[in-house]
Amino acid sequence: DTEVTQTPKHLVMGMTNKKSLKCEQHMGHRAMYWYKQKAKKPPELMFVYSYEKLSINESVPSRFSPECPNSSLLNLHLHALQPEDSALYLCASSHLRTSGTGNEQFFGPGTRLTVL
Amino acid sequence: AQTVTQSQPEMSVQEAETVTLSCTYDTSESDYYLFWYKQPPSRQMILVIRQEAYKQQNATENRFSVNFQKAAKSFSLKISDSQLGDAAMYFCAYRSAKETSGSRLTFGEGTQLTVNP
Repeated sequence: DTEVTQTPKHLVMGMTNKKSLKCEQHMGHRAMYWYKQKAKKPPELMFVYSYEKLSINESVPSRFSPECPNSSLLNLHLHALQPEDSALYLCASSHLRTSGTGNEQFFGPGTRLTVL
Repeated sequence: AQTVTQSQPEMSVQEAETVTLSCTYDTSESDYYLFWYKQPPSRQMILVIRQEAYKQQNATENRFSVNFQKAAKSFSLKISDSQLGDAAMYFCAYRSAKETSGSRLTFGEGTQLTVNP
């Protein structure tokens, strides 16, 4: 299985809603990532988990709350979002090797989020 | 901090022809990795090709090859025999070999490739 899956594919939410995005991989990767991507722009890193612990938080507002329940799952909890948070949210995973091959990131298909 | 620059926001190519996408980067590190990712209209990010900085040989994957010039900090992607399915946004990305807590990628702004039939 060389796939990263994300659910839901699309999400529309109001500014007072609470929702969650889910990401799953079964490649034995111990690093997992959340990215935010606006149209025609590169992905922006939000969070990195390594060995199920948060290792990088790119100064993301607290209305985004990541969670890594186990080595295969990554969640992003959303609360009180703003319309400018509308974007494609990409999940990725990779091995934690620092040398040689096999350190590339595999991306999921993304969740298209619209905040009304 | 590392930066990645893609100077061609848009490129077009005729089907079956060859096109080269440019990428330059700035780093003070000697050990790193470079990637080209493709993002078609579906917006799924797909790894196209990878280059390790310590390897002098240019990477090749079927119709895709790179021209890696370490001294010039240049990493261009050549697509041969272009196909309609190659139409996508292409991102060049850099990764330090020092990262131990997950491989942080630095992306360029992307090049939108159109393939004309």
